[in-house]
Amino acid sequence: QQQVKQSPQSLIVQKGGISIINCAYENTAFDYFPWYQQFPGKGPALLIAIRPDVSEKKEGRFTISFNKSAKQFSLHIMDSQPGDSATYFCAASPRPYNTDKLIFGTGTRLQVFP
Amino acid sequence: EAQVTQNPRYLITVTGKKLTVTCSQNMNHEYMSWYRQDPGLGLRQIYYSMNVEATDKGDVPEGYKVSRKEKRNFPLILESPSPNQTSLYFCASSFRAAGELFFGEGSRLTVL
Repeated sequence: QQQVKQSPQSLIVQKGGISIINCAYENTAFDYFPWYQQFPGKGPALLIAIRPDVSEKKEGRFTISFNKSAKQFSLHIMDSQPGDSATYFCAASPRPYNTDKLIFGTGTRLQVFP
Repeated sequence: EAQVTQNPRYLITVTGKKLTVTCSQNMNHEYMSWYRQDPGLGLRQIYYSMNVEATDKGDVPEGYKVSRKEKRNFPLILESPSPNQTSLYFCASSFRAAGELFFGEGSRLTVL
């Protein structure tokens, strides 16, 4: 019940296309859903986050869609660029949010080809 | 520059030879933690620390020790490394226990 299931494990997209990464959870106490982006040879960095009081959050070309009833959330990267090639981790934390309770998904390696 | 610094970045060692991976942050963060990253398993928390002299186990603490004697430093100790501890290790910190995590660049450890 504490898991966050992430798919696909790897994704290849052509430049300009839409990249979609999906995550699912079972614990209804999860209340905070961040996405972290990790470039090769670097540590993960916070990309965007959402709370379940909204169904969508957009920052530039990155959008999180949240479906509370289905217990799913996804990251959409519009107009994907080669510079977006990285590993993406979804994560979830129960309320009240504490970093030590953050559960990470297994990661998606995205490759964007020119 | 605000950063989390880990050393060494790469290490090859043999079974049973004690080693320490250092972690230091210059952001005056209260919260620090260690993760290991393995293919297909994502990021799993090893230990975390809410503040100086306050440490606690994460999801995979077996075979590891930590200490937090100063706010900025949080070393990870492998007393008797084994091959199943071969992994990519990340130290992270945040301003408070409910803040954004800032990660170091990782330490790739191989235990033969």
